[in-house]
Amino acid sequence: KNQVEQSPQSLIILEGKNCTLQCNYTVSPFSNLRWYKQDTGRGPVSLTIMTFSENTKSNGRYTATLDADTKQSSLHITASQLSDSASYICVVSERNAGNMLTFGGGTRLMVKP
Amino acid sequence: DGGITQSPKYLFRKEGQNVTLSCEQNLNHDAMYWYRQDPGQGLRLIYYSQIVNDFQKGDIAEGYSVSREKKESFPLTVTSAQKNPTAFYLCASSMGAGGRDEQFFGPGTRLTVL
Repeated sequence: KNQVEQSPQSLIILEGKNCTLQCNYTVSPFSNLRWYKQDTGRGPVSLTIMTFSENTKSNGRYTATLDADTKQSSLHITASQLSDSASYICVVSERNAGNMLTFGGGTRLMVKP
Repeated sequence: DGGITQSPKYLFRKEGQNVTLSCEQNLNHDAMYWYRQDPGQGLRLIYYSQIVNDFQKGDIAEGYSVSREKKESFPLTVTSAQKNPTAFYLCASSMGAGGRDEQFFGPGTRLTVL
């Protein structure tokens, strides 16, 4: 069964600090991996998408990495801001399965002043 | 102003009642999806539609029904047969049904059964 596991479940950091969120998956065969940001009570918004051949991708202060061999991804947030407080969801797509996605449970990040 | 909208934002239902959640998109997307989100769990697929007048069951379709009479609209009915309907419901759409087609999400509807 395809699974996506994220850690930690929740995280509290001070404004200006960096943090790294982890994602491990068992989805196979792999197509792509996305990180979504979901503000409380809102729908998720895509931050990055990574395919098999991509190791790193950045979007402003967000940098995602992918190790397709170990089936791990991370999302690094640099110089955190209060507006980064949200849930971050790792989503993996299976090749030849259309647009059927496997969602992780998310990491809830709180940035405190 | 393009996007995907859901209504209502909050919905309260008495046990035994059916309720319908609205989802509309003006992105000209072919594919639309309904997900359920429970605290601490990943989103779970309820139904999806790749084209007008066609839809398929997802992982947790029991107690739900959908229709896709128009490209822009994909309403979800939560029936009285759904044993535990209290949840956050998210609608999404994508240009196509391929693995690289990004799914864009609506703002969600929070359903509470009283």
